[in-house]
Amino acid sequence: NAGVTQTPKFQVLKTGQSMTLQCAQDMNHEYMSWYRQDPGMGLRLIHYSVGAGITDQGEVPNGYNVSRSTTEDFPLRLLSAAPSQTSVYFCASSYLGQVYEQYFGPGTRLTVT
Amino acid sequence: GDSVTQMEGPVTLSEEAFLTINCTYTATGYPSLFWYVQYPGEGLQLLLKATKADDKGSNKGFEATYRKETTSFHLEKGSVQVSDSAVYFCALYSGAGSYQLTFGKGTKLSVIP
Repeated sequence: NAGVTQTPKFQVLKTGQSMTLQCAQDMNHEYMSWYRQDPGMGLRLIHYSVGAGITDQGEVPNGYNVSRSTTEDFPLRLLSAAPSQTSVYFCASSYLGQVYEQYFGPGTRLTVT
Repeated sequence: GDSVTQMEGPVTLSEEAFLTINCTYTATGYPSLFWYVQYPGEGLQLLLKATKADDKGSNKGFEATYRKETTSFHLEKGSVQVSDSAVYFCALYSGAGSYQLTFGKGTKLSVIP
């Protein structure tokens, strides 16, 4: 089992560029989520999904889009990057009945200049 | 809404010292409580959990007791090791279809030989 994988590990963008952060899991988890981690702010939920075709907003969804066409994949799209989106992004997954026990990917460090 | 407050770091201890990281919470109803750990360069992983009042969660020598009367879930370890150096996050889950974990801001622990 690869668990939760994220690509890329590092990315530098210019303001206004768009990109997609990839996330995949091979544990057949129904629930998937995206967090951003900022110094002094802890983890904040961006978007989550409880199954293929179903997504919902978390605490800080503005500037980000998601879709869930398969159980395995949950990409996060930045439509027009801003310096405020400089952060470390984590994807996580879990069984729907065990959302408290999420398995995290290794993270993507994004810098927007 | 739900919130978690944990002690500010960083915390620096000598090997074999006693560790306490304080965590208090605000939530409606009866949440479940968790400690997650993030080792350098990695994603978070669940360390221990407690699902009801007076439960004690334990793992890898760490313990935390769910205290409803003081709304607290302090993390303790009797003798820390260099390998315990990490960031520790307290979290709560209200369940009941919320599908969201609420994290504290994290406490960085450094253990020196």
